[in-house]
Amino acid sequence: DIVMTQSPDSLAVSLGERATINCKSSQSVLYSSNNKDYLGWYQQKPGQPPKLLLHWASTRESGVPDRFSGSGSGTDFTLTISSLQAEDVAVYYCQQYYSLPHTFGQGTKLEIK
Amino acid sequence: QVQLQESGPGLVKPSETLSLTCTVSGYSISSGYYWAWIRQTPGKGPEWIGSIYHTGSASYSPSLKSRVTISVDTSKNQFSLQLTSVTAADTALYYCARPRDSSTRYDAFDIWGQGTMVTVSS
Repeated sequence: DIVMTQSPDSLAVSLGERATINCKSSQSVLYSSNNKDYLGWYQQKPGQPPKLLLHWASTRESGVPDRFSGSGSGTDFTLTISSLQAEDVAVYYCQQYYSLPHTFGQGTKLEIK
Repeated sequence: QVQLQESGPGLVKPSETLSLTCTVSGYSISSGYYWAWIRQTPGKGPEWIGSIYHTGSASYSPSLKSRVTISVDTSKNQFSLQLTSVTAADTALYYCARPRDSSTRYDAFDIWGQGTMVTVSS
């Protein structure tokens, strides 16, 4: 199985400031035949299912604000929220879908400082 | 608008079988997609259990494979999960989900049910 490790486990950021969450996979999730990273980012708020924010590591889902961006390739990835809003308080997960079983990170809890 | 709804008992006794159903509305299962079951225990990341295509072709997590069966009923537009010999470690919030792309199991999940909590306890 590919192990997904996120850092930090929790993060407190002031409103309007940048938040950065890291995700590392135990092996590359870059598929050479199409040059795509099989990596997604999710946001989960209390009492709700995870919401897909980004796929292919950096492609935003429809309706996701452009303050959310993803970067990285291979084994190291980053989710950045450029200017934190109150509604961004949540737990964030990365997921690899390069190989089965699909695996998720342990989560990063984002709070307001 | 595609919606998924999980249903089933909220309490299962140890050593018994957990059975859940996901009812799909707004889309015909027969048209495609690898429909998935995913579970999550409080404070942890989601865990993929397995996925099934409308033809009945299924894939499972190796860690659960010996105890899991996922089946599909296209006439009812539902797919189901059975997990045998449950223990307290199987207590979790169980979700059904659909990936973005209709033709591959290797994709992120963009549609999720609200989840159903299952507790394993005598």
